Amino acid sequence: NAGVTQTPKFQVLKTGQSMTLQCAQDMNHNSMYWYRQDPGMGLRLIYYSASEGTTDKGEVPNGYNVSRLNKREFSLRLESAAPSQTSVYFCASRRTSGVLSYEQYFGPGTRLTVT
Amino acid sequence: GQQVMQIPQYQHVQEGEDFTTYCNSSTTLSNIQWYKQRPGGHPVFLIQLVKSGEVKKQKRLTFQFGEAKKNSSLHITATQTTDVGTYFCADNTNAGKSTFGDGTTLTVKP
Repeated sequence: NAGVTQTPKFQVLKTGQSMTLQCAQDMNHNSMYWYRQDPGMGLRLIYYSASEGTTDKGEVPNGYNVSRLNKREFSLRLESAAPSQTSVYFCASRRTSGVLSYEQYFGPGTRLTVT
Repeated sequence: GQQVMQIPQYQHVQEGEDFTTYCNSSTTLSNIQWYKQRPGGHPVFLIQLVKSGEVKKQKRLTFQFGEAKKNSSLHITATQTTDVGTYFCADNTNAGKSTFGDGTTLTVKP
C-alpha cells in the first residue's frame, strides 16, 4: 500500500496563478483532509470531506476550493495564488465510524511558494 | 472554536534528559491523539487516549489523559537524538475533524 500520496512535492507560483494539489489514498478511508502548516503555527484545517460527495470548510478555507472526486481522491485548488498562501500543504485521510475517529495518515506534503 | 494549547513551544535538552510536553483545553475532550513530525517530514500518529485518567506507554514514551479529560501529557524518559522533532496533540471532539495544538519542538544535544 502506498498510503497517502500527494503531487507535486514542490511548486513555485507567481501571484495570481492557479494550481491544483492532488491527493490520493489507497486505504479505503471515508474521511479526507487538507491542512496547511506555517512555521510555529501547527496544522490548520483548510477543508475536509467526511465521505465521497461531501465537503466542509475548516478553519482557514478562504482562497481555496476542494473536490472529492471519488473515495480515493481529494484535490485542493488555489484559483488565484497569493504570497500569504506560501506554506506546506498536507493531505490526510482516516477511517471514521459514526462518532468514532481513528488515526490520521498524512501524505508527504507539498511545499508551495508564491512570489 | 475548540482550542488546545500546547506548552512549551520549544524544548532543548541534553541527550539522556527527560522531556515533557503538555496539552490543555478549557473544555472536556472526547479523546486526544498524539503525533510526531520529524524535521522535513509529515506527522505520524503515535497514540490515542480515550478514557479519563488513562496512561499508556510505548517504550520510553508515557502518555497521560487527565482525570477531567481537559489535559494530556507526553513524557519521554532519557531522550535520544532519534526523539528530535515536533510533537502535536490533536483534539477529536468534533466528529470527523481534528484540532491540532501548535506543537512542541524538541531538540536533543548529543
